[in-house]
Amino acid sequence: AQKVTQAQTEISVVEKEDVTLDCVYETRDTTYYLFWYKQPPSGELVFLIRRNSFDEQNEISGRYSWNFQKSTSSFNFTITASQVVDSAVYFCALSEAQGNTPLVFGKGTRLSVIA
Amino acid sequence: IAGITQAPTSQILAAGRRMTLRCTQDMRHNAMYWYRQDLGLGLRLIHYSNTAGTTGKGEVPDGYSVSRANTDDFPLTLASAVPSQTSVYFCASSDEERPYNEQFFGPGTRLTVL
Repeated sequence: AQKVTQAQTEISVVEKEDVTLDCVYETRDTTYYLFWYKQPPSGELVFLIRRNSFDEQNEISGRYSWNFQKSTSSFNFTITASQVVDSAVYFCALSEAQGNTPLVFGKGTRLSVIA
Repeated sequence: IAGITQAPTSQILAAGRRMTLRCTQDMRHNAMYWYRQDLGLGLRLIHYSNTAGTTGKGEVPDGYSVSRANTDDFPLTLASAVPSQTSVYFCASSDEERPYNEQFFGPGTRLTVL
């Protein structure tokens, strides 16, 4: 069975600090996809990134970066120089890599960035 | 604008009443999904449909039913609502022609059962 664990329930940082959101996953599949979604206070789910299990390159997009390590089954998300607009709930998710399959979500991490 | 629409946006419902949450997508995606979001529990899969005419159960299917009569619509029905079904419901869709199982989410329906 697949499982995603986001051990940090809530994180609070001061603006301009860097913050890392942890994500650990479990799967028996050899190929799979990993995702991060952002849910701002308005409630919609905003797609941030997806990774293939066979692509362990880290990725950077502006102030966002993702560290995928298969050896530790982790897919951590770092926000550099956090801003108040980064305040949201962030979800890590996992799916099989075969056709259309549902996502298995972690319980989410609520990030509060204080001005 | 292509995407997924859900109706209603929010609803307050008396326990025991029947309720159907609507979900429509105009992207011609094969697969559709219903998730519920509860505080501290993340999103959990209720039901899914890989193609029109087929449905399957997810992690928390009890008390819910779905149908997939056509590609675009995937309604979720609560036959007799209970307070534990108070939640935010998200509909999503995906297509195997797109890489990486990219899923598109609707804006959500906030349901309160009293």
